[in-house]
Amino acid sequence: KNQVEQSPQSLIILEGKNCTLQCNYTVSPFSNLRWYKQDTGRGPVSLTIMTFSENTKSNGRYTATLDADTKQSSLHITASQLSDSASYICVVSAMRGGATNKLIFGTGTLLAVQP
Amino acid sequence: DTAVSQTPKYLVTQMGNDKSIKCEQNLGHDTMYWYKQDSKKFLKIMFSYNNKELIINETVPNRFSPKSPDKAHLNLHINSLELGDSAVYFCASSPRKLAGDSNYGYTFGSGTRLTVV
Repeated sequence: KNQVEQSPQSLIILEGKNCTLQCNYTVSPFSNLRWYKQDTGRGPVSLTIMTFSENTKSNGRYTATLDADTKQSSLHITASQLSDSASYICVVSAMRGGATNKLIFGTGTLLAVQP
Repeated sequence: DTAVSQTPKYLVTQMGNDKSIKCEQNLGHDTMYWYKQDSKKFLKIMFSYNNKELIINETVPNRFSPKSPDKAHLNLHINSLELGDSAVYFCASSPRKLAGDSNYGYTFGSGTRLTVV
């Protein structure tokens, strides 16, 4: 069964600190993995998209890693800011027959950055 | 502003009613989607449309019906609303179908919070 699990479920850190969010998946065949940031009351916004051959990708203070062998990904946030407080959702794309893929969403990690 | 816009942002209605949520994108994207986010914050795809053709229907009850008058619009109609339909519904769009190209991205609307009482 295709699943995406994220940990921790929630996280509280102090402003300026770093943190790492984890994503484990059992999706096959794998197409790509995305990290989204979802502010409260808003739609998800894409942070990174990685394919099977990519090990790391950065977007400002966000750095995502992917280990396709162990089926794990992480999202590292450097020098956190108050505006980083949000839900972070890991999404894995599974290839299906034809031209359509299926997206499997994780339940997200709720990050709270405190001053 | 280029975006995916949904209306209304909030919708409170009684059980048994019929309601619609509208979605419009001015990004020139080919495909539009509807997602349901339940209380556990889990996003589940409901429908996607490409060139007015339904691509995915994830066993959604037939009380839900997407309507796409043109490429830029995908509205969601819900008949005979039930308490379990209470959730946040997100519209999204992407430049093409869900193919293996990893360089395309999704743009989500800000969501419609539906509360059925």
